[in-house]
Amino acid sequence: EAGVAQSPRYKIIEKRQSVAFWCNPISGHATLYWYQQILGQGPKLLIQFQNNGVVDDSQLPKDRFSAERLKGVDSTLKIQPAKLEDSAVYLCASSLAYGMSEQYFGPGTRLTVT
Amino acid sequence: AQSVSQHNHHVILSEAASLELGCNYSYGGTVNLFWYVQYPGQHLQLLLKYFSGDPLVKGIKGFEAEFIKSKFSFNLRKPSVQWSDTAEYFCAVTLSGGYQKVTFGTGTKLQVIP
Repeated sequence: EAGVAQSPRYKIIEKRQSVAFWCNPISGHATLYWYQQILGQGPKLLIQFQNNGVVDDSQLPKDRFSAERLKGVDSTLKIQPAKLEDSAVYLCASSLAYGMSEQYFGPGTRLTVT
Repeated sequence: AQSVSQHNHHVILSEAASLELGCNYSYGGTVNLFWYVQYPGQHLQLLLKYFSGDPLVKGIKGFEAEFIKSKFSFNLRKPSVQWSDTAEYFCAVTLSGGYQKVTFGTGTKLQVIP
């Protein structure tokens, strides 16, 4: 089966600019996750969708980050405006369901904010 | 607050040495436990998981982990490592039931010397 797809793989922007990341989960996976992984740290959950509804966005900096999963399939994560501390790898993952299901991760997007 | 601790940040072993990576969590309920691995240049992938039953869990590539509830630990072990085990290993924990966020540890980089 095809894995989780993400694009772009790399992005360099200046602070205060905007950026968007795209994720296409594995077909049939109801749950989609966006994680932020800063160098030297583990992935931190930003937002979790169940189909097209938000389950958890408690760690999403909502003043600058937004995410949507309009048709319950692919998803977009946006940062506007970016700050230096947003430099990180943004990982998308999907699972059949929540909690007990294995998460399948995409390759990630490495964002550098200068 | 819920947290996951991996005390070994960087481990260097010679081939055939035994491996044990520590993982401790602070959760106040029934937990689901995971170990994920990221090989160089590859995606995060599931190594093994524990939901219930036998606290000794066997995963892929000869890895196993033991859930010790009294110690809030889920240590990863392998009796004899290979050079191909060089990777970063992440412990992850979630509470059982409902929509529960997965929390990752900071990761342990394992370097196996031939």
